[in-house]
Amino acid sequence: QVQLVHSGAEVKEPGASVKVSCKASGYTFTSYAMHWVRQAPGQRLEWMGWINVGSGNTKYSQKFQGRVTITRDTSASTAYMELSSLRSEDTAVYYCARAGGKWNYDYWGQGTLVTVSS
Amino acid sequence: QSALTQPPSASGSPGQSVTISCTGTSSDVGGYNYVSWYQQHPGKAPKLMIFEISKRPSGVPDRFSGSKSGNTASLTVSGLQAEDEADYYCSSYADSNTVIFGGGTKLTVL
Repeated sequence: QVQLVHSGAEVKEPGASVKVSCKASGYTFTSYAMHWVRQAPGQRLEWMGWINVGSGNTKYSQKFQGRVTITRDTSASTAYMELSSLRSEDTAVYYCARAGGKWNYDYWGQGTLVTVSS
Repeated sequence: QSALTQPPSASGSPGQSVTISCTGTSSDVGGYNYVSWYQQHPGKAPKLMIFEISKRPSGVPDRFSGSKSGNTASLTVSGLQAEDEADYYCSSYADSNTVIFGGGTKLTVL
């Protein structure tokens, strides 16, 4: 069965960076794109970007351009999302989501809570 | 555009139908047939309910249906059940290989 398993919760100081991992299993990792979506406490879902897992090509939301980097390790079936220059507003649950079809997400990870606090 | 426009809340009694709207522009909802709907219960990851405007993934009850007219997509939940109470988000493909989500609608089953 398809599973996306996130790394554990993180607490970071303002200005630091965080790298969240998402390990995929149960399917051919390189056959599906992986997207990253975040959700601040009590707030809406917010799309951050995606990676073509096969080619490694990426596309980011303009909001996060320059601060976010999405990568993957095909040998480990793992996708990564790194966010830099963290501020308190970046406190959120960060989800990876598999693009099962055209621009929809059929499987989601359990999410990683990133807390930015001094 | 920062987010697609959804009503903050919707409600209905068990057995009734409720429709949630999702309004965008010609650069997202109106321009493509890639509107999806997600259900999210508190503390849980979202779950895909509708994709490509009106298609249901395997296992999603046919009480859930989707449609689109112009720049507005809609999710209809018929025969409301208590377990349908959740937050619902629409999303759409937008120009240049990006995605945009709606602001979310809290559905209450009275």
